[in-house]
Amino acid sequence: ILNVEQSPQSLHVQEGDSTIFTCSFPSSNFYALHWYRWETAKSPEALFVMTLNGDEKKKGRISATLNTKEGYSYLYIKGSQPEDSATYLCAFISAGNQFYFGTGTSLTVIP
Amino acid sequence: DSGVTQTPKHLITATGQRVTLRCSPRSGDLSVYWYQQSLDQGLQFLIQYYNGEERAKGNILERFSAQQFPDLHSELNLSSLELGDSALYFCASSVWGEGGVEQYFGPGTRLTVT
Repeated sequence: ILNVEQSPQSLHVQEGDSTIFTCSFPSSNFYALHWYRWETAKSPEALFVMTLNGDEKKKGRISATLNTKEGYSYLYIKGSQPEDSATYLCAFISAGNQFYFGTGTSLTVIP
Repeated sequence: DSGVTQTPKHLITATGQRVTLRCSPRSGDLSVYWYQQSLDQGLQFLIQYYNGEERAKGNILERFSAQQFPDLHSELNLSSLELGDSALYFCASSVWGEGGVEQYFGPGTRLTVT
């Protein structure tokens, strides 16, 4: 069974704080790494698709980096806002096109 | 709204029964993925279809099967249901974006087995 681990499991921050989440995955058989944002009672929504070692993607206050050689990706949120509260999922996609999701990091931003 | 539709929204059935979950991908998307999310587990990839053909298989039980039809909608069939099959079942469709495959998730079907 392939292991995708996310840390921390949950995080409570004050509005305005910056946060960093980690996703660890196997460094072999890599095809892509996805980040998703999942709000309660909704379905996961794609944030980033990353395929190349050293990739950096940015969308507003959220950015992500990828290191395929050592098997990790970081998701950063700068100046967290209450509307950023959600679960952030990463998914490792293997060369065989199988998706392996981490269990997510639950973020709560306190106004 | 992702453009992916799933029916029904909720389903309550008894152990031993069989159910069919339906998914319609976004217009133009050829791939459909099925996922299971149980209370004590994260999202588990079940199976992927591309243009009617099975493309990848994950942790799908033998009691479960899926297919994708010529109009690209997909059905996930769950048979001999057990209490542990109670979960949220998502489907997703995908498109090739700038960075690779981008997935769009449907709203899910919540299955309760009693």
